[in-house]
Amino acid sequence: DAKTTQPPSMDCAEGRAANLPCNHSTISGNEYVYWYRQIHSQGPQYIIHGLKNNETNEMASLIITEDRKSSTLILPHATLRDTAVYYCIVTVYGGATNKLIFGTGTLLAVQP
Amino acid sequence: EPEVTQTPSHQVTQMGQEVILRCVPISNHLYFYWYRQILGQKVEFLVSFYNNEISEKSEIFDDQFSVERPDGSNFTLKIRSTKLEDSAMYFCASSEVARRTSRETQYFGPGTRLLVL
Repeated sequence: DAKTTQPPSMDCAEGRAANLPCNHSTISGNEYVYWYRQIHSQGPQYIIHGLKNNETNEMASLIITEDRKSSTLILPHATLRDTAVYYCIVTVYGGATNKLIFGTGTLLAVQP
Repeated sequence: EPEVTQTPSHQVTQMGQEVILRCVPISNHLYFYWYRQILGQKVEFLVSFYNNEISEKSEIFDDQFSVERPDGSNFTLKIRSTKLEDSAMYFCASSEVARRTSRETQYFGPGTRLLVL
């Protein structure tokens, strides 16, 4: 089972910031938080990841609480094309690889 | 920007037939993965592959499934005798490394939609 909890859906007005929360209260000290999104039935698209510091890239910002038990993905100016299912994933390790365990994610609907 | 590619985009097959799904990972990546997503369900891990052998596989990945890197660029998933329940989107992914560094990020291809009739 996924080690994260996300709201099933959220709405956001176009041009406004979208703040997507994720709870990962059982995260281990050396596990990363990854965010992916899936637009319709396309392949999951990598957005951003972090360990304990806040991160920003051209797509989004990731805010991780000091206790690392939750995080927020911020899309600063949401567009209609950001409508997608957003997955918050805590990486797990098996052998030498790093399988991703996807939950049900948050369906973000950006409204015009 | 380098990307993972997959062929075919769609495949229709009869139950019991063999199918091969193909993937071309990003060129400098060393770790390869297959995931699947049954319509309306979660994305599920199938198998990971490194150094020409399976590193990890899920319960879904039974004897009907196999993976291979037949040359320096392709990574394939074979289903020997397809069942109706194998109908799904199959996603290939690759990563540069698999250790706990920023280069372990997995990048996904667009998927192959498999329909078993």
